Amino acid sequence: SAVISQKPSRDICQRGTSLTIQCQVDSQVTMMFWYRQQPGQSLTLIATANQGSEATYESGFVIDKFPISRPNLTFSTLTVSNMSPEDSSIYLCSARPITGVGYGYTFGSGTRLTVV
Amino acid sequence: TQLLEQSPQFLSIQEGENLTVYCNSSSVFSSLQWYRQEPGEGPVLLVTVVTGGEVKKLKRLTFQFGDARKDSSLHITAAQPGDTGLYLCAGTSGSARQLTFGSGTQLTVLP
Repeated sequence: SAVISQKPSRDICQRGTSLTIQCQVDSQVTMMFWYRQQPGQSLTLIATANQGSEATYESGFVIDKFPISRPNLTFSTLTVSNMSPEDSSIYLCSARPITGVGYGYTFGSGTRLTVV
Repeated sequence: TQLLEQSPQFLSIQEGENLTVYCNSSSVFSSLQWYRQEPGEGPVLLVTVVTGGEVKKLKRLTFQFGDARKDSSLHITAAQPGDTGLYLCAGTSGSARQLTFGSGTQLTVLP
């Protein structure tokens, strides 16, 4: 299965600043996704990162706050803009392989963001 | 919006005990997956079930997909401390490729 390298693994940021999270997949994938998770809780989908076009955002998430890029089939970034303490969370990227047995999705190890 | 509800939310048991985690929805899913997540890591896929009534076994873990493809269960036999983690069910439906995650079950197995 695909392996995802996500960085940074954690960061502490000042409110009002922005942080860009990067995900690199070791093989071509059809779809990439960005999630947010509070520790010990479930995952909430932020958006689907589309290769070469604008991301598709879920209800409650907007491009101005969470701009996403996906310039090719193996790389994507999520920016958390104009951060506030409410943005403190774990952010995860995920990928769906082009040919997947059992439709398995692979996840990065997450970025733990603390906004102070 | 399709919702997946998991129960129990928290489970703390002694090593050697058996347990079952449930994942229920009012919606039909084309496939359902189970993941385990440990602190500081992303979820790791355990199994995918796609056929109503399907049962899959992975060592001490048994997964079942309901006949109507609206629910699933995960049964662990003789739990071990290494089974500790957050267990998440997640489903896909129709042509949608994104996962809908369940609410999660935090399992702690005490030695």
